[in-house]
Amino acid sequence: EPEVTQTPSHQVTQMGQEVILRCVPISNHLYFYWYRQILGQKVEFLVSFYNNEISEKSEIFDDQFSVERPDGSNFTLKIRSTKLEDSAMYFCASSDPPKEQFFGPGTRLTVL
Amino acid sequence: SQQGEEDPQALSIQEGENATMNCSYKTSINNLQWYRQNSGRGLVHLILIRSNEREKHSGRLRVTLDTSKKSSSLLITASRAADTASYFCGNSGGGADGLTFGKGTHLIIQP
Repeated sequence: EPEVTQTPSHQVTQMGQEVILRCVPISNHLYFYWYRQILGQKVEFLVSFYNNEISEKSEIFDDQFSVERPDGSNFTLKIRSTKLEDSAMYFCASSDPPKEQFFGPGTRLTVL
Repeated sequence: SQQGEEDPQALSIQEGENATMNCSYKTSINNLQWYRQNSGRGLVHLILIRSNEREKHSGRLRVTLDTSKKSSSLLITASRAADTASYFCGNSGGGADGLTFGKGTHLIIQP
């Protein structure tokens, strides 16, 4: 069964450093999403992406964040200058609306 | 915001019993999706119910949707220890809309 994959599973970085989180969505899906979950809290929507552009973004997705689909398979989330409060699990998801969103296993980002 | 909220926040039952979790949301939706999350893991999709549907079944899962009350429920019948997890509902306006989740219900099945 096709699945969304994410790399790395765990990323540790120093405050102020840039990180890139990678995702490979399900191959025939056209919509891509990033979510985050701070430890012990709910899953929060960050951004959706369709047709090579951002479709929707939340208040969390400020200028420090960017997304890109650099090739036909990868979908990336870049955090330009990480802050301590960026420590969270980051989930990528993809969908073929109006069907369900499929989530990847997540990347745990730890900012020191 | 289409923020949903699940209740109860925590539920502990004996194996074999049924578990019911509820979810409410604030604005109109295109669909509502239920997910399970085991500790420290990703979200696993369970059921999607569309705004024009009232009930949906999948195995031991039954989901209802009441758009007049802006609420949904997830029933797990004949619970098993492996059902221990957090359960979230996420609602969507459709298309490329992101899902808005509540804080989830943490379900514990006692053997």
